[in-house]
Amino acid sequence: DAGVTQSPTHLIKTRGQQVTLRCSPKSGHDTVSWYQQALGQGPQFIFQYYEEEERQRGNFPDRFSGHQFPNYSSELNVNALLLGDSALYLCASSLQGAGYTFGSGTRLTVV
Amino acid sequence: EDKVVQSPLSLVVHEGDTVTLNCSYEVTNFRSLLWYKQEKKAPTFLFMLTSSGIEKKSGRLSSILDKKELFSILNITATQTGDSAVYLCAVDNAGNMLTFGGGTRLMVKP
Repeated sequence: DAGVTQSPTHLIKTRGQQVTLRCSPKSGHDTVSWYQQALGQGPQFIFQYYEEEERQRGNFPDRFSGHQFPNYSSELNVNALLLGDSALYLCASSLQGAGYTFGSGTRLTVV
Repeated sequence: EDKVVQSPLSLVVHEGDTVTLNCSYEVTNFRSLLWYKQEKKAPTFLFMLTSSGIEKKSGRLSSILDKKELFSILNITATQTGDSAVYLCAVDNAGNMLTFGGGTRLMVKP
């Protein structure tokens, strides 16, 4: 039973570049949520996707966008990267928003 | 705005000690409160609490929720070095998002 898979595990980008992070949910899950965790802080909600639509969004600028595919996998895109975007990006999958399982995250470093 | 506050920020204890971690919250549409352990990257699920006064237990860990006073505690008895981690408290506001506290960093020394 595969858990939540995220790729890549680590990434280094330059300011102003764009990045795409990927998430495959746990088998049987249909909802994907993305969180940003800065060093030494708790995760912060970015957005949630269900039925290929953004269902709810946290307090993040439009530079953060996402997508969910028919197989429930998801992408997080960040444009015009800033130094402050450096963080661990966590994906959590669930079945209709209940029972969250987290992936191991993507560590993004912006230089 | 939903808010979750954890205390203490960090804690250093010796093996065998008992620790109590605190979590207070203010959220709309409360559905449940969850505790996670984060050692390296992926937060791993510990407990989900929905009802006041009912203690959840798993081995040396236990947790309880007080919905009147809006807080929860996580207890760890007979701590071991493997308990060293960041412990995260989160509140589920009717299923669409989790609001996390800043975490408590626990270090258990041999």
